[in-house]
Amino acid sequence: QLQLQESGPGLVKPSETLSLTCTVSGDSINSSNYCWGWIRQPPGKGLEWIATIFYSGSTYYNPSLKSRDTISVDTSKNQFSLKLSSVTAADTAVYYCARLGATVHFPGAFDYWGQGALVTVSS
Amino acid sequence: QSALTQPASVSGSPGQSITISCTGTNSDIGSYHLVTWYQQQPGKAPKFMIYEVNKRPSGVSNRFSGSKSGNTASLTISGLQAEDEADYYCCSYGGSGTWVFGGGTKLTVL
Repeated sequence: QLQLQESGPGLVKPSETLSLTCTVSGDSINSSNYCWGWIRQPPGKGLEWIATIFYSGSTYYNPSLKSRDTISVDTSKNQFSLKLSSVTAADTAVYYCARLGATVHFPGAFDYWGQGALVTVSS
Repeated sequence: QSALTQPASVSGSPGQSITISCTGTNSDIGSYHLVTWYQQQPGKAPKFMIYEVNKRPSGVSNRFSGSKSGNTASLTISGLQAEDEADYYCCSYGGSGTWVFGGGTKLTVL
């Protein structure tokens, strides 16, 4: 059974960089059938796609984040990560990592999600 | 990239059918057959219910169905049950490797 688990600081100061890691267990992250992504949800609000990375390293970002974010993958650790720089209170949210179907297996669907990690931006 | 437009709330009585709309543009819903619907219970991660507009993964009740016309996708839940009460989100491919979610719809079962 595939499992994803987010980890990282729950509190980040304004203007600093938020760093989160997603550890994937139960399957290899190195598959051409899937991408891996980050989605966030501010308290009481809706979902926002942040970024996606293919196993090959190709990356895609939400333009609204104005290039503050970086997604990367470490296949040796079966992990992928998110860094979001120059954070403000508006970046306070539950951050989810998820698997995205890329080919024949549920294309376009985030089919497995982590439980979510609340990150609060505050001094 | 603007969020897809969903009604903030819908409601229905047990046994009834409801439909949640999701309106996008020619750049997302109107151009791709990659619309997914998610159900989110309070405090939980979203769960995908419909993918590729109208396909249902195994384990999802056939009371859930999806469709698309032009720039608008729809999720219909028939035979409403108390357990269907949740937030629902649509999501569409937006081209160039991007994805866009709807603002979410709170479903209340009366």
